[in-house]
Amino acid sequence: AQSVTQPDIHITVSEGASLELRCNYSYGATPYLFWYVQSPGQGLQLLLKYFSGDTLVQGIKGFEAEFKRSQSSFNLRKPSVHWSDAAEYFCAVGESGSGGSYIPTFGRGTSLIVHP
Amino acid sequence: SAVISQKPSRDICQRGTSLTIQCQVDSQVTMMFWYRQQPGQSLTLIATANQGSEATYESGFVIDKFPISRPNLTFSTLTVSNMSPEDSSIYLCSVASGRATEAFFGQGTRLTVV
Repeated sequence: AQSVTQPDIHITVSEGASLELRCNYSYGATPYLFWYVQSPGQGLQLLLKYFSGDTLVQGIKGFEAEFKRSQSSFNLRKPSVHWSDAAEYFCAVGESGSGGSYIPTFGRGTSLIVHP
Repeated sequence: SAVISQKPSRDICQRGTSLTIQCQVDSQVTMMFWYRQQPGQSLTLIATANQGSEATYESGFVIDKFPISRPNLTFSTLTVSNMSPEDSSIYLCSVASGRATEAFFGQGTRLTVV
């Protein structure tokens, strides 16, 4: 079964600084990988996804992530953080479930705190 | 992307009672899922809601506690039965359609059991 590890529970950055959130996965085949963001009291919003092809994927809100098979990683990056980026970030890995769709497994999340 | 409406958005319930959460999608979807997010925790899959048949439950979740219905391709309900304070969580409906597609989430139902 697949699993996802987000080693950082909390990350604190200053506004305008760069950001990297770590994600490592365990999955036998080529995974489907996702990053979601959850603002306080909200549901989850998809930031970006990797299915195949170019290993550097661009997402919404200026985020990007790079799939590195050799490291089993899918780290999320942003060159300059805004105060509105403060939220919970979840990495997820998908598998092929019954019916041809997938069922994502989520990491425990990383809470991003942005200082002015 | 699918638009998912989840009701209620929050509720405070007495222990021993049951609450039914509704999930309505604006388009037909192949798969519907229900997740639980306990305070400060990640998302845990409860079950996959199957149209016209019994839901597929994950380890640790049973139909008697979390009965699920899915009468068509756009609607599902999750009932939290005989609630206890340990059931206080956010319950999230999620949908996906087709192979290699992302999952979309409703806004969640914040349940507090007192």
